Amino acid sequence: GENVEQHPSTLSVQEGDSAVIKCTYSDSASNYFPWYKQELGKGPQLIIDIRSNVGEKKDQRIAVTLNKTAKHFSLHITETQPEDSAVYFCAAPEGAFGGGGNKLTFGTGTQLKVEL
Amino acid sequence: EAGVAQSPRYKIIEKRQSVAFWCNPISGHATLYWYQQILGQGPKLLIQFQNNGVVDDSQLPKDRFSAERLKGVDSTLKIQPAKLEDSAVYLCASSPPPPAERQFFGPGTRLTVL
Repeated sequence: GENVEQHPSTLSVQEGDSAVIKCTYSDSASNYFPWYKQELGKGPQLIIDIRSNVGEKKDQRIAVTLNKTAKHFSLHITETQPEDSAVYFCAAPEGAFGGGGNKLTFGTGTQLKVEL
Repeated sequence: EAGVAQSPRYKIIEKRQSVAFWCNPISGHATLYWYQQILGQGPKLLIQFQNNGVVDDSQLPKDRFSAERLKGVDSTLKIQPAKLEDSAVYLCASSPPPPAERQFFGPGTRLTVL
């Protein structure tokens, strides 16, 4: 099965700084990599995802990069704000994503704290 | 568009009791997932339905957990009897038909087993 490792487990940054969270995966057939943000008492919220046919995707202050050769992908948050404080999870599918066989394996999460 | 609905939001039970959780997915989403999230960990898939058929239940402890999705819409997850280690947040997610297939989560049910 898929094995996803996520680092760091906690990350503290000053408001306005950038934050980077990294994940590695084991299944070379994986082709879809979502990132979720989970606030206290809420379910995970999809914030960005990337398919393996692209190396980078950006949405305002959030970007994800993918290195298929090295089997790792990263979340980049620029100009961090206090409301970015949350737990972030990466995930990767077991095998190729799509066609109904969409079992995701999640990382262990990164607690991001943005300090004023 | 309404999100994934779950109830109850919180439940406290004694070990060996039974409990049931309910999920209503986003309208039109054919695939429904139940995840277990233990404190400090990422969600772990318990069972996946495509319409009302089971796609994957390999990580569902079938001696005590059961799930059904009648008519391909709402779903219930049941634990009977509960153990202390079942204390967790139970998350329901749904995804639209291919090719989109992104998974959207509900708020979860926090279960405490005493």
